[in-house]
Amino acid sequence: KAGVTQTPRYLIKTRGQQVTLSCSPISGHRSVSWYQQTPGQGLQFLFEYFSETQRNKGNFPGRFSGRQFSNSRSEMNVSTLELGDSALYLCASRGDSGNTIYFGEGSWLTVV
Amino acid sequence: DQQVKQNSPSLSVQEGRISILNCDYTNSMFDYFLWYKKYPAEGPTFLISISSIKDKNEDGRFTVFLNKSAKHLSLHIVPSQPGDSAVYFCAASAQRSGGSNYKLTFGKGTLLTVNP
Repeated sequence: KAGVTQTPRYLIKTRGQQVTLSCSPISGHRSVSWYQQTPGQGLQFLFEYFSETQRNKGNFPGRFSGRQFSNSRSEMNVSTLELGDSALYLCASRGDSGNTIYFGEGSWLTVV
Repeated sequence: DQQVKQNSPSLSVQEGRISILNCDYTNSMFDYFLWYKKYPAEGPTFLISISSIKDKNEDGRFTVFLNKSAKHLSLHIVPSQPGDSAVYFCAASAQRSGGSNYKLTFGKGTLLTVNP
């Protein structure tokens, strides 16, 4: 069974640009959540989607957005990039009957 | 306000000995706790979890203990192996608080080094 897949793994963007990251959850998982990891703040929750609906949102500005498609794949978008957005962005999925959240390898975003 | 705290940034143990990683939490609504292992530039790998209705859960070399009254949990690794060297994160969620809240709140992590 394939794990959580994230693309791209690494990317470099310029301040002011926008970026879209993609995530495919474990097959059969309908819940997808996103986290940001930075050296200073650690791992922080961005948002969670279930059946195409955002069910929970962390304390991030509106520049951070996401969506989920009918096949449970999810994308997150960051607009007007700032240097501080440089981070590892992690996608995670959970099965309907499970409590455990499984993470992908992450997308490394560098903003220059 | 940090709701999940891992007060030891690092821990060094000898191969074959026990590693004990500690985690404290402040939010009494947390009812499900997980430990993840993480290597640099990779995603966290799930290790073991425990529900608040239990005080111990064991899986092979890994055992998690939960002390609800002290709001404290610990991960024991016995015996420790060099391949266990990584950053270990404690995470908590309030799943029965209503609204199916599976959001994880993480500690800052503890770097475990197991020396051969």
